[in-house]
Amino acid sequence: GAVVSQHPSWVICKSGTSVKIECRSLDFQATTMFWYRQFPKQSLMLMATSNEGSKATYEQGVEKDKFLINHASLTLSTLTVTSAHPEDSSFYICSAARGYEQYFGPGTRLTVT
Amino acid sequence: GQQLNQSPQSMFIQEGEDVSMNCTSSSIFNTWLWYKQDPGEGPVLLIALYKAGELTSNGRLTAQFGITRKDSFLNISASIPSDVGIYFCAGHGDDMRFGAGTRLTVKP
Repeated sequence: GAVVSQHPSWVICKSGTSVKIECRSLDFQATTMFWYRQFPKQSLMLMATSNEGSKATYEQGVEKDKFLINHASLTLSTLTVTSAHPEDSSFYICSAARGYEQYFGPGTRLTVT
Repeated sequence: GQQLNQSPQSMFIQEGEDVSMNCTSSSIFNTWLWYKQDPGEGPVLLIALYKAGELTSNGRLTAQFGITRKDSFLNISASIPSDVGIYFCAGHGDDMRFGAGTRLTVKP
């Protein structure tokens, strides 16, 4: 149990376009999901905490208007990178909380050209 | 905020050797978690610890929740090539914090 999926697994987009990434908990309900960003050879950087039915909580320095998060159901959270720029290229990983444990998705590699 | 110090940053070992890594914090945590991340994939939960002093095994992996609640270690016995990856500790107190990771390389 505790499987989390992400879609797409990789995406290439042009600068100025928006990209939506989906995170789903497949076999459990998650009131809380998290979005992370990871640069090569670095640890996970928490971007925001997504709570079902309420607004996401963003970490300091993360632009909420640029990284739109929607947690519309207990099994789905989405991250939309708006007006993407090359510096937004990164590995984005979501996780879903079950108790004190977090279960991670496989990640989405975003490349902005 | 609560910070985790994970060490070592990297390890190069021979297949068959045992490995030990640890995380320490200046703050108390209620839960310690250990994850492994393979390249290009999300972290996978290896072991979860909930009580001070708890010692838990998962196959060749053993982890302990320190008595002071400020540290945890992970041991891997008889390493094999597929143990290669980055190991992250995570502590849950006011929120979840991650260590910087230990990059493990196993030479056959």
